[in-house]
Amino acid sequence: NAGVTQTPKFQVLKTGQSMTLQCAQDMNHEYMSWYRQDPGMGLRLIHYSVGAGITDQGEVPNGYNVSRSTTEDFPLRLLSAAPSQTSVYFCASSLQGASYEQYFGPGTRLTVT
Amino acid sequence: AQSVSQHNHHVILSEAASLELGCNYSYGGTVNLFWYVQYPGQHLQLLLKYFSGDPLVKGIKGFEAEFIKSKFSFNLRKPSVQWSDTAEYFCAAPFGNEKLTFGTGTRLTIIP
Repeated sequence: NAGVTQTPKFQVLKTGQSMTLQCAQDMNHEYMSWYRQDPGMGLRLIHYSVGAGITDQGEVPNGYNVSRSTTEDFPLRLLSAAPSQTSVYFCASSLQGASYEQYFGPGTRLTVT
Repeated sequence: AQSVSQHNHHVILSEAASLELGCNYSYGGTVNLFWYVQYPGQHLQLLLKYFSGDPLVKGIKGFEAEFIKSKFSFNLRKPSVQWSDTAEYFCAAPFGNEKLTFGTGTRLTIIP
C-alpha cells in the first residue's frame, strides 16, 4: 500500500492565484482531513470528511474548499491565495474518524508571495 | 472551548537523560488521547494512544504516557533518551469522533 500520498511536495504561488493540493489514500479509510502546520501553532484542522460526499469545516476553513467525490481522494482548493496561507499542509486519513489512528501524508510546503 | 495544551515548546536534553513532556486537555466527556511524533524530514506517525483501561500506556521506541484524569493530563515519558529521539512531539485529542485537536507541539533536541 502507498498509504497517504500528497502532491505537490512544494509549491510557490503569487497572491490571488488558485491551486489544488491533491491527497489520496489506498487504505479504504472513511475519514480524511486536512491540517496546516505553522511554527508555534501545531496542526490546525482545515476541513474534514467522514465519507464520500460528506465534508465539514474544521478550525480554520476560511479561504479553502474541499470535496470528496470518492473514498480515495480528498483535494484541498485554495481559491485566491494569500500570504497568510503560507504553511505546510498535511492530509490524513483514518478508518472511521478522529478517534482512530491518523495516517499522515508527507506534506506540501506552500509559499504565497 | 475544548483544547489541548503543551507547555514545553523546546526541550534540550543530553543523551541518557530522562524525559517528560507535558500535555493537558480540557474535555469532560469520554477521553481518547494520542501522542504523535514528527522526525526531521518525515511525516507524523503515532507514538502511542490511550482509549480506556490501564492509564499507563506504552508505545513505540520505549515511550510511555500516563493518563491522570484528576489532572486532565497525559504526559509523555521516556527513562533514557537517545539522539534519534530528536523530533517534534504532538499531543492530540478528538472531541467527538469528527475533529482532532492538536497541541502546539514540543520540539525535542537531544545532544549527543
